[in-house]
Amino acid sequence: ETGVTQTPRHLVMGMTNKKSLKCEQHLGHNAMYWYKQSAKKPLELMFVYNFKEQTENNSVPSRFSPECPNSSHLFLHLHTLQPEDSALYLCASSQGQGGQIHEQYFGPGTRLTVT
Amino acid sequence: AQKITQTQPGMFVQEKEAVTLDCTYDTSDQSYGLFWYKQPSSGEMIFLIYQGSYDEQNATEGRYSLNFQKARKSANLVISASQLGDSAMYFCAMRLTGNQFYFGTGTSLTVIP
Repeated sequence: ETGVTQTPRHLVMGMTNKKSLKCEQHLGHNAMYWYKQSAKKPLELMFVYNFKEQTENNSVPSRFSPECPNSSHLFLHLHTLQPEDSALYLCASSQGQGGQIHEQYFGPGTRLTVT
Repeated sequence: AQKITQTQPGMFVQEKEAVTLDCTYDTSDQSYGLFWYKQPSSGEMIFLIYQGSYDEQNATEGRYSLNFQKARKSANLVISASQLGDSAMYFCAMRLTGNQFYFGTGTSLTVIP
């Protein structure tokens, strides 16, 4: 049990659907992250939130829309996705900010398939 | 440009033997952190070990140790006394000040009984 949960664990959606991924951390951390993991590629950092404020957006297409209502919850809203968006989406959280460096704790991921 | 390089797509090790997984990194920052994660087939990324750029001693956590060679910009993971449960993907990662994390492409480790 890492303290970071993600739902759903598996999701199959059509290109015209709208769905949301949910992440919740029970570790008291103040930073949360969304990553995309595709086969044979490095993890791609998508979004970063620090104290509910988005601090990084690494050129992610607008069909991915993050939401962070509080420091414990993070959502990724999906709409009109493409087949190449099929991947494992990982949520992570960490403590610290600025000059401090702390490890991230990951959730189990959501395996997304776009048909 | 790739900031984390893992040159070994796959590695095999005999049970109870030690194995070294390679990682090199690229940054001009003076302050950074290096991490290793394990990802079993279940998909969850598990934090293993951390090395700060100013740490003078190599980090150790149980059977895991990090061979940090700052001048060569390498941060190799050493797993001693390999166990069957160590079979997984292993990722090297770097965090710069702020919230930018960079991951390598990973090394698949298989422990042979």
